[in-house]
Amino acid sequence: EVQLLESGGNLIQPGGSLRLSCAASGFTFSSDVMSWVRQAPGKGLEWVSSITEGGDRTSYADSVKGRFTIARDNSKNTLYLQMSSLRAEDTAVYYCALRGTSKSFDYWGQGTLVTVSS
Amino acid sequence: EIVLTQSPGTLSLSPGERATLSCRASQSFGSSYLAWYQQKPGQAPRLLIYGASSRATGIPDRFSGSGSGTDFTLTISRLEPEDFAVYYCQHYGSSPLYSFGQGTRLEI
Repeated sequence: EVQLLESGGNLIQPGGSLRLSCAASGFTFSSDVMSWVRQAPGKGLEWVSSITEGGDRTSYADSVKGRFTIARDNSKNTLYLQMSSLRAEDTAVYYCALRGTSKSFDYWGQGTLVTVSS
Repeated sequence: EIVLTQSPGTLSLSPGERATLSCRASQSFGSSYLAWYQQKPGQAPRLLIYGASSRATGIPDRFSGSGSGTDFTLTISRLEPEDFAVYYCQHYGSSPLYSFGQGTRLEI
């Protein structure tokens, strides 16, 4: 059974930094593209970032480019999102998602809440 | 940049009725890269349909997807009480790499 467990969400002041983690199990982590998707309170879904199986290629939404860094450790079956220069508009539940071969997000974690506020 | 527009914003129906949700793209693209998700309050989204018309594992056959080009549809043939939720369509392309529609709320 695929399991994705996010952690690291917290209340952080504007301009601060935070690192999210996603522990994966139940599948061959090193064989799949992984992504982060976020959802602001009461709003829709927004793709944030993706990373290829080996970690050699990354992609970002324009809204986070230059501030967020996605990474993975295939030896630990863990996905990361390093967030810096955080803004109020980054407040959201952040989901870790496993991307399938049809470029859909086949499995999702339960999410971790990041609140950016002074 | 492809923008996905879902309609209606809110759909009010009763159990047993048929639901038709629309997702329209600002540009035509390959249907292989269109997916639908269901999200219930306090839960993560769940994949329903990928490749525009293929049901994900464990999804009941009352859910079906269709469409191509710029117009895609999610149909729920006979609504069950547990189907009342928010539904999103999603596209894979470029700049941004993935985009979502704004969602359709299906309410009783």
